[in-house]
Amino acid sequence: GNSVTQMEGPVTLSEEAFLTINCTYTATGYPSLFWYVQYPGEGLQLLLKATKADDKGSNKGFEATYRKETTSFHLEKGSVQVSDSAVYFCALGNAGGTSYGKLTFGQGTILTVHP
Amino acid sequence: GAVVSQHPSWVICKSGTSVKIECRSLDFQATTMFWYRQFPKQSLMLMATSNEGSKATYEQGVEKDKFLINHASLTLSTLTVTSAHPEDSSFYICSGIWVGRRQETQYFGPGTRLLVL
Repeated sequence: GNSVTQMEGPVTLSEEAFLTINCTYTATGYPSLFWYVQYPGEGLQLLLKATKADDKGSNKGFEATYRKETTSFHLEKGSVQVSDSAVYFCALGNAGGTSYGKLTFGQGTILTVHP
Repeated sequence: GAVVSQHPSWVICKSGTSVKIECRSLDFQATTMFWYRQFPKQSLMLMATSNEGSKATYEQGVEKDKFLINHASLTLSTLTVTSAHPEDSSFYICSGIWVGRRQETQYFGPGTRLLVL
């Protein structure tokens, strides 16, 4: 079955540091890949997504590239801010385009950014 | 983006009682809603898929008689934890699917923390 493995946290960085959160997956076919972010007291929000190999998702300075050869979707940001402190979830959705409601999540990585 | 709310945000109950959690899509109609469960420091685990007007589809290992799901309208799904026990204590999260012209987007509620004493 499908599975997602995320880098264990928590991750603590200083402001303006470079961020990488690793994510690898196991799936049959060609799934869609997502990063969700959960700020304290709020629901999960879609941060970025990629639906096919070599696609790069990007949003708010975050980027992740769908690497089929390494089954990875690592999240990166060149310069983090205190406001990026949150829990980040890598997720895998159904293959085949529009219907990716059913998601398999990684365990989440807590990121704390200090001034 | 679209908003999904959950009520209550947290609840404490005695063992043996039943607890109902509501999930509402506030500004869109959600034909499909999902219910997830999240344990501390662990991932979200999909419990069931809730479709408006039909029976929910439960994931393997989830007791349908324990976790009753009702999706009576396009904006409301409820999860009732029947005869709750301490092992049911968890963080329950719902999501609603918004279907646009070209894509679907899943919007998540803020979660409900359940503590069973």
